Amino acid sequence: AQRVTQPEKLLSVFKGAPVELKCNYSYSGSPELFWYVQYSRQRLQLLLRHISRESIKGFTADLNKGETSFHLKKPFAQEEDSAMYYCALHNQAGTALIFGKGTTLSVSS
Amino acid sequence: GAGVSQTPSNKVTEKGKYVELRCDPISGHTALYWYRQSLGQGPEFLIYFQGTGAADDSGLPNDRFFAVRPEGSVSTLKIQRTERGDSAVYLCASSTQRGPYNEQFFGPGTRLTVL
Repeated sequence: AQRVTQPEKLLSVFKGAPVELKCNYSYSGSPELFWYVQYSRQRLQLLLRHISRESIKGFTADLNKGETSFHLKKPFAQEEDSAMYYCALHNQAGTALIFGKGTTLSVSS
Repeated sequence: GAGVSQTPSNKVTEKGKYVELRCDPISGHTALYWYRQSLGQGPEFLIYFQGTGAADDSGLPNDRFFAVRPEGSVSTLKIQRTERGDSAVYLCASSTQRGPYNEQFFGPGTRLTVL
């Protein structure tokens, strides 16, 4: 079965603290993974994708096939990082994204 | 340029009624997707169009749900005999092609409330 699990509903940190949003997946073969973000009153948008191996807004995510994880990390959280974060997996047919339930990140000063 | 647009932004209807939700993708995007997001959940795939044809409708929950894209641009999601459980935000997304190399751009969603 293809599945994405985000175990935390809410993660609260102070500004400047490190952040790690957890994502685990279930997939047969080589997965293509993404992080999407939704800021308050904005639409869902792509943050980063595994295949690009990029860092966006200071966030990085490394695919760990042994642990079937794709955790999102940032060394120093900023208040503007407060948002809902969704981990997503491309389905094997290549026709859709499978999303986790999302984690709300709250960064306070 | 203009992003994906969806109308209406909010729709309130009564149980048993028929509703239509519209999606205008980004111009030139051949791939179009519908997702449904219930409270506290992530978006859940409904249907994928490549051009005018529904290439994957495996996510449609039952035969009350139907979607069309007759000219390969605008798409309409149609729900017959609505039920309270259909209440959710319906999201549309488009991309240049299918697959993980092509970013899906999401619309703002239509919030459907079935009373």
